[in-house]
Amino acid sequence: TQLLEQSPQFLSIQEGENLTVYCNSSSVFSSLQWYRQEPGEGPVLLVTVVTGGEVKKLKRLTFQFGDARKDSSLHITAAQPGDTGLYLCAGNTGFQKLVFGTGTRLLVSP
Amino acid sequence: GAGVSQTPSNKVTEKGKYVELRCDPISGHTALYWYRQSLGQGPEFLIYFQGTGAADDSGLPNDRFFAVRPEGSVSTLKIQRTERGDSAVYLCASSLHGDTSTNYGYTFGSGTRLTVV
Repeated sequence: TQLLEQSPQFLSIQEGENLTVYCNSSSVFSSLQWYRQEPGEGPVLLVTVVTGGEVKKLKRLTFQFGDARKDSSLHITAAQPGDTGLYLCAGNTGFQKLVFGTGTRLLVSP
Repeated sequence: GAGVSQTPSNKVTEKGKYVELRCDPISGHTALYWYRQSLGQGPEFLIYFQGTGAADDSGLPNDRFFAVRPEGSVSTLKIQRTERGDSAVYLCASSLHGDTSTNYGYTFGSGTRLTVV
């Protein structure tokens, strides 16, 4: 069974702080996606990374795919209350199904 | 429609009953997926359709679970003899071709919250 472990599980910070969420596995993935999910809603895709070592930026969010394509990180600069939510990484096994991580719940207080 | 639509949004059923959960994918999306999300967890894969056929049903937990997509658009997830452990949010997603290596990825619906009492 392929597992994606995320850390931390829960993060509570003040507006303006920076944070990093990690997504780790012993398995290699052909691509990896990050989603954000709000209560009562389905996950919303933020980014897809495909190449080992790839870095993508989405405004204040920076995503990196590990060189070996087994891990990834999400860095948020100057967090805002609107960033609050459940962040999920998901790896593509190559068989058209995603393996989701355990999730990181982020709370950003004003 | 503009997004993936799931009905009902909430379903409460008694243990042992049969339930059907419906998913209307984005028009033109050939790939459709069902996932199950328990409280505080990430979604777990159940089944994947490419067109009308189930291309991968390896995530269905047992033979009480079945899903169909007879015309290649709307899908129904069917659960027989429901158990309390089936309580979860059932998420449906669709994608244009089933290729998750692009930024098109999946579009998820808001889910059906199933509670078995």
